[in-house]
Amino acid sequence: KNQVEQSPQSLIILEGKNCTLQCNYTVSPFSNLRWYKQDTGRGPVSLTIMTFSENTKSNGRYTATLDADTKQSSLHITASQLSDSASYICVVSPVSGGYNKLIFGAGTRLAVHP
Amino acid sequence: GAGVSQSPSNKVTEKGKDVELRCDPISGHTALYWYRQSLGQGLEFLIYFQGNSAPDKSGLPSDRFSAERTGGSVSTLTIQRTQQEDSAVYLCASSFPGYNSPLHFGNGTRLTVT
Repeated sequence: KNQVEQSPQSLIILEGKNCTLQCNYTVSPFSNLRWYKQDTGRGPVSLTIMTFSENTKSNGRYTATLDADTKQSSLHITASQLSDSASYICVVSPVSGGYNKLIFGAGTRLAVHP
Repeated sequence: GAGVSQSPSNKVTEKGKDVELRCDPISGHTALYWYRQSLGQGLEFLIYFQGNSAPDKSGLPSDRFSAERTGGSVSTLTIQRTQQEDSAVYLCASSFPGYNSPLHFGNGTRLTVT
């Protein structure tokens, strides 16, 4: 079964610190891997999209990496801010079944404390 | 508008009643998706539209759920004879077609069935 698993489930860090969120997947073959940020009470917002041939993509203080050999991705947040408090969702797009067949992880809930 | 708009933002209904949830996608986005998000769970795919047709309805949990899209724009998700297990946040997203197009989400409708 195609799965996307994220760790940790939740994380608390102090403002200004860095953190790394993990995503392991079994989807294969896949077209792309995405990271979304979801603030409480809001819809997810796209942070990065990496195709299977890319291994890193940055968006400001967010840097996503992808290792297709080990089927792992990470999202690194640099110099965290209070506004980074949100859920971060890893999403994998399998090649089979059409481009609408996105598989979502359950997310990592990040809390940044002052 | 600049983003995906969903209405209502909150809906409380009694068990057994019918509800309609509305989604206004971003202009020009031919692909439209409905997802359901329960607390602590990943997004659950419900239905996908390309234009006015729905080539993938595989995620609709029962025949009480239906959706339509008119004019290649507005979509309505209807839940008949609501049950308590239907309580969740219903998210709509739109995008251009293609594997690497990011989804743009609305802020969802929080449905509570009492």
